[in-house]
Amino acid sequence: AQKITQTQPGMFVQEKEAVTLDCTYDTSDPSYGLFWYKQPSSGEMIFLIYQGSYDQQNATEGRYSLNFQKARKSANLVISASQLGDSAMYFCAMREGDGLTFGKGTHLIIQP
Amino acid sequence: KAGVTQTPRYLIKTRGQQVTLSCSPISGHRSVSWYQQTPGQGLQFLFEYFSETQRNKGNFPGRFSGRQFSNSRSEMNVSTLELGDSALYLCASSSDIRGGYTFGSGTRLTVV
Repeated sequence: AQKITQTQPGMFVQEKEAVTLDCTYDTSDPSYGLFWYKQPSSGEMIFLIYQGSYDQQNATEGRYSLNFQKARKSANLVISASQLGDSAMYFCAMREGDGLTFGKGTHLIIQP
Repeated sequence: KAGVTQTPRYLIKTRGQQVTLSCSPISGHRSVSWYQQTPGQGLQFLFEYFSETQRNKGNFPGRFSGRQFSNSRSEMNVSTLELGDSALYLCASSSDIRGGYTFGSGTRLTVV
């Protein structure tokens, strides 16, 4: 079974709209961390946001927020007021022990 | 503060050869992990090192190996290269606290 599932292979969104990228995860470890990374065409992985399994509040970083629903094992990324520069691949990842397990990614395209 | 540095950026090798990739972590980071990214398999965890010790290893054949030096710099080696080893190899460093991993720009390896 996949540990990280991203069900949206691709998304087209109008500029300035809000975007929600889905991520569900599977773990029996009570201690874990969830991450979102952005990968533009250049290939570099850019850290966006982190949520710890014991964090009571949803993480926020500027225009990024993480909708963490622990009981549903869901960690959706919300991008408010999307910009053309947000066009990229987005990966959800989980850390249970050492190293990260990644989902397949969502290719987000922002249209003017 | 310098980021994670990977060298070389691009590499072309012939089947059967071996290759060594280098990763210099952010100053003060003692954990270095490696990932392989291919269009078919996505991002896959190779191994993670902390204070010169391998802490965890992904599901890769023994041809893939790594090491970490006392200054936290890490190298990964792939012996007897196969065409399927063509990939983007990403290195990430971590201070082992909340906030997770910072990635380098990657080494794009092409095996011909």
